[in-house]
Amino acid sequence: KAGVTQTPRYLIKTRGQQVTLSCSPISGHRSVSWYQQTPGQGLQFLFEYFSETQRNKGNFPGRFSGRQFSNSRSEMNVSTLELGDSALYLCASSLGQSYTGELFFGEGSRLTVL
Amino acid sequence: DAKTTQPPSMDCAEGRAANLPCNHSTISGNEYVYWYRQIHSQGPQYIIHGLKNNETNEMASLIITEDRKSSTLILPHATLRDTAVYYCIVRWNTGKLIFGQGTTLQVKP
Repeated sequence: KAGVTQTPRYLIKTRGQQVTLSCSPISGHRSVSWYQQTPGQGLQFLFEYFSETQRNKGNFPGRFSGRQFSNSRSEMNVSTLELGDSALYLCASSLGQSYTGELFFGEGSRLTVL
Repeated sequence: DAKTTQPPSMDCAEGRAANLPCNHSTISGNEYVYWYRQIHSQGPQYIIHGLKNNETNEMASLIITEDRKSSTLILPHATLRDTAVYYCIVRWNTGKLIFGQGTTLQVKP
């Protein structure tokens, strides 16, 4: 079956712009979480959605937001981009809210802010 | 969320077993131990997870101490393609994973 799909894979933006990243989870998966990876901070949790509701939120400023649609697809948005937002943004999906099995990660969206 | 401690780097000869340790001394009773790896900044790949019993799958074995304060991931016959950053994570029923710095495993010919 198809894996987690993230689009776009690469993008370049300038400071002050905003960006929207998309994540399509594995079919049947209802939980989606987002992560930011930078060389300095490593992998950091952004937020988690289940059934269109944000369930957990990491320690990021309000410029970072997300949402989940009824088909479980998720988007994250970063407004007023800063140079430090340059990172690999990863999405992961799992079956459900109380599922203790594995999370499946996409290949990520690499954002460069100039 | 419990934190984990891993050595920053390890080397292993190709064909030999790679034993990657992880300390999770503050793990709570309902938290599972998960292992992921990441190759060349691709998305992390799930390897194995367990609660308190030892686990084995086609990729690796997971040995958890009886007090659950530490664990070891074993790659029985390491290959060059196993060179990656390995992350040990404790987690309950949430999609929130707390990644540490992981262990960079270098498999050498």
